[in-house]
Amino acid sequence: QLQLQESGPGLVKPSGTLSLTCTVSGASISGSNYYWGWIRQSPGKGLECIGNIFYDDTGYFNPSLKSRVSMSVDTSKNHFSLRLTSVTAADTGVYFCARLNYEYWRGAYYYYMDVWGKGTTVTVS
Amino acid sequence: DIQMTQSPSAVSTSVGDSVTITCRASQTIYSYMAWFQQEPGKAPKLLIYKASTLESGVPSRFSGSGSETEFTLTISGLQPDDFVTYYCQQYFTYPYTFGQGTRLEI
Repeated sequence: QLQLQESGPGLVKPSGTLSLTCTVSGASISGSNYYWGWIRQSPGKGLECIGNIFYDDTGYFNPSLKSRVSMSVDTSKNHFSLRLTSVTAADTGVYFCARLNYEYWRGAYYYYMDVWGKGTTVTVS
Repeated sequence: DIQMTQSPSAVSTSVGDSVTITCRASQTIYSYMAWFQQEPGKAPKLLIYKASTLESGVPSRFSGSGSETEFTLTISGLQPDDFVTYYCQQYFTYPYTFGQGTRLEI
């Protein structure tokens, strides 16, 4: 059974860098058509997609965060990671990782989040 | 970004009743709509994708409909565990965006 687990510091100082890892068990990150993504939730902004990454390190990010976000995949450890720089209190929230399953229609893939990690709370203070 | 407007934000209802939640997209998303259920302190759980396809293991009392810009989630025969929060989300174009959520209250 596929499971995802977030890990990383729960407290980050303002102007610092938030770094999280999502460890995948029950399936291999590589060799599939799935994307792997990060989503966050805060009282002020609700649920917000941060970015998605493919096993070959290609991906795309929310334009509102793009200048501060990077993501990477480590296939040897079967995990993927998020880095968010120059954090402020507005980056406080619960961070989830997820697998993005896909549909194929008229030459394009469309991805939806079907399996989520339990989430980890990050406070910027 | 595509804006998702979900209504109502909260609804009071009872066990055994049916409830319908509406989500409107600011532009067409064809049928690329997903619905999630979220219990307090937990991750969202996928209920429906492609507007009306039930995710495996989800009870049949959940159903979705709609296309283009208007979508609904209907829960029939509400069970006690259903009184949590529901979100719609479009995945037609990135950044994927969510509705503000609908809280079901007894």
